[in-house]
Amino acid sequence: DAGVTQSPTHLIKTRGQHVTLRCSPISGHKSVSWYQQVLGQGPQFIFQYYEKEERGRGNFPDRFSARQFPNYSSELNVNALLLGDSALYLCASSRRGMEETQYFGPGTRLLVL
Amino acid sequence: AQRVTQPEKLLSVFKGAPVELKCNYSYSGSPELFWYVQYSRQRLQLLLRHISRESIKGFTADLNKGETSFHLKKPFAQEEDSAMYYCALLTGGGNKLTFGTGTQLKVEL
Repeated sequence: DAGVTQSPTHLIKTRGQHVTLRCSPISGHKSVSWYQQVLGQGPQFIFQYYEKEERGRGNFPDRFSARQFPNYSSELNVNALLLGDSALYLCASSRRGMEETQYFGPGTRLLVL
Repeated sequence: AQRVTQPEKLLSVFKGAPVELKCNYSYSGSPELFWYVQYSRQRLQLLLRHISRESIKGFTADLNKGETSFHLKKPFAQEEDSAMYYCALLTGGGNKLTFGTGTQLKVEL
């Protein structure tokens, strides 16, 4: 198993555009969570999904949305991009919930110009 | 609101010296705490969690509810311990994970 995979690895967008980031969890993992990591800071929790339902949400504006598919992969969508959205976006998966060991992906680095 | 504080951005120690990475939390409920580590050019990974009360790679962490702390300790630092360490707090009924800002540990020879 390659572990958690994320695509794309890098992305450059301009202000006002929309972006979709993708995450494939480890086989057998049904929980996916998303984090934003700004340079010099720790990861900030955005969403958690389990069995295709949103189970947790961090303090992010409605421009941020996500969904989980029947195969447990997930997408994070960000609308109306701002310069401040530039960050590393991390995805993590676990078998059931966040109380278990979370396995992180390599992240997608987003730059908004 | 929940918060995790890691007061040191950088901690530099000599090989063989004791290590203590500080973590304080703020949470009104029953906390569940973790330490995550990121080695150079590797992914973020779980090091240990307080409910397991285990020692991983020589590291231990004890939850002190009175002082609201979960400091990470190791008696003798090794060069391979050099990494970024994050303390994290699970809240929201197990559905929200709050990370601290991280401490970069540098073990010098």
